[in-house]
Amino acid sequence: DVKVTQSSRYLVKRTGEKVFLECVQDMDHENMFWYRQDPGLGLRLIYFSYDVKMKEKGDIPEGYSVSREKKERFSLILESASTNQTSMYLCASSLRAGGVTDTQYFGPGTRLTVL
Amino acid sequence: KQEVTQIPAALSVPEGENLVLNCSFTDSAIYNLQWFRQDPGKGLTSLLLIQSSQREQTSGRLNASLDKSSGRSTLYIAASQPGDSATYLCASASNYQLIWGAGTKLIIKP
Repeated sequence: DVKVTQSSRYLVKRTGEKVFLECVQDMDHENMFWYRQDPGLGLRLIYFSYDVKMKEKGDIPEGYSVSREKKERFSLILESASTNQTSMYLCASSLRAGGVTDTQYFGPGTRLTVL
Repeated sequence: KQEVTQIPAALSVPEGENLVLNCSFTDSAIYNLQWFRQDPGKGLTSLLLIQSSQREQTSGRLNASLDKSSGRSTLYIAASQPGDSATYLCASASNYQLIWGAGTKLIIKP
């Protein structure tokens, strides 16, 4: 079975702090994704990566950056956390390179609160 | 731009009933349509993926259909059980992106 793990289930940070969210997948998947999920808005794509050191902006990249130095690990960085970044963050991975149309496998999520 | 809608936002039915969840999309040029389940406070689990060339997919008590011409997909759950209680999300895949509905929260009453 594919396993996607996220570094924290719950995180509380203060406004202005730099926040790192890490995601690791163990199935040698090419694609990795970061979403945020907010009530009534569904999932929104922040960034995705289809290869090591490659990244593409999603729908809402402002205020975020990402890093993919190894195939299995995809990090989301909040350079200066703000209260409007309080949300559930979900990481996902999928097998084939070059597209997001494969089945995506999700981690358990990190619920981030910014005070 | 593709928009995906799921109505109703919430649904409560007695155990044992068969039920249908709806998903509509505005742009029929999709690669596939995916259904997921999300339990409270947790990540998403993929249930079914229907390719654009297919009309339906089945897994156990679940059957998903796709009608691109009308911009609709349905998820049919047979003989519902309390363990089916969760939020069900659909997503359309087009142009290298998944576009998500907001989900239907399903409660199965024992």
